[in-house]
Amino acid sequence: DTAVSQTPKYLVTQMGNDKSIKCEQNLGHDTMYWYKQDSKKFLKIMFSYNNKELIINETVPNRFSPKSPDKAHLNLHINSLELGDSAVYFCASSPAGLTYEQYFGPGTRLTVT
Amino acid sequence: GQNIDQPTEMTATEGAIVQINCTYQTSGFNGLFWYQQHAGEAPTFLSYNVLDGLEEKGRFSSFLSRSKGYSYLLLKELQMKDSASYLCAVRPYGQNFVFGPGTRLSVLP
Repeated sequence: DTAVSQTPKYLVTQMGNDKSIKCEQNLGHDTMYWYKQDSKKFLKIMFSYNNKELIINETVPNRFSPKSPDKAHLNLHINSLELGDSAVYFCASSPAGLTYEQYFGPGTRLTVT
Repeated sequence: GQNIDQPTEMTATEGAIVQINCTYQTSGFNGLFWYQQHAGEAPTFLSYNVLDGLEEKGRFSSFLSRSKGYSYLLLKELQMKDSASYLCAVRPYGQNFVFGPGTRLSVLP
């Protein structure tokens, strides 16, 4: 059974478009995250959600917005895509608490042309 | 802010032991984590340290010294499948995870 899943796996789109990436976890975790990994492989957190509430919002452009319809889902919406948005986006989840590791989804490779 | 440093690349031979270092600057944190990431795949959790000392988990061990701002991941009996990037991450108080730049390890036959 897949623990953390993301769709789509690959996304190619043009500048200026709006796109969404979906994430679902079946682990019963309370907290979910979105990360961006750029071409230099630097993994940087974008958002985290705990029980449907945004708990920390990193300094990302407001073109990016997380949407959590329920505890098991955290979708990422991106408006007016730019070339610099090209990267691999990972969703992750963890139990509540500060000492638990995260479980990552397989990633979505976004290419903006 | 937080600053995490790791060597960019390392090379070792199959069957050998390799130590990957991680240094960080943060005023306090809830834990230090190590993740493994194979090329084109997602990071997977390897180990976690909250107290000073060594945590052993099979072929992998992780060490933490809070006073020195230093951690290392020790990989024993290296196998070809250990070729991957190894990411050090901390969770500063009141903040979310911060990942280091990662160390790309190549295991040679």
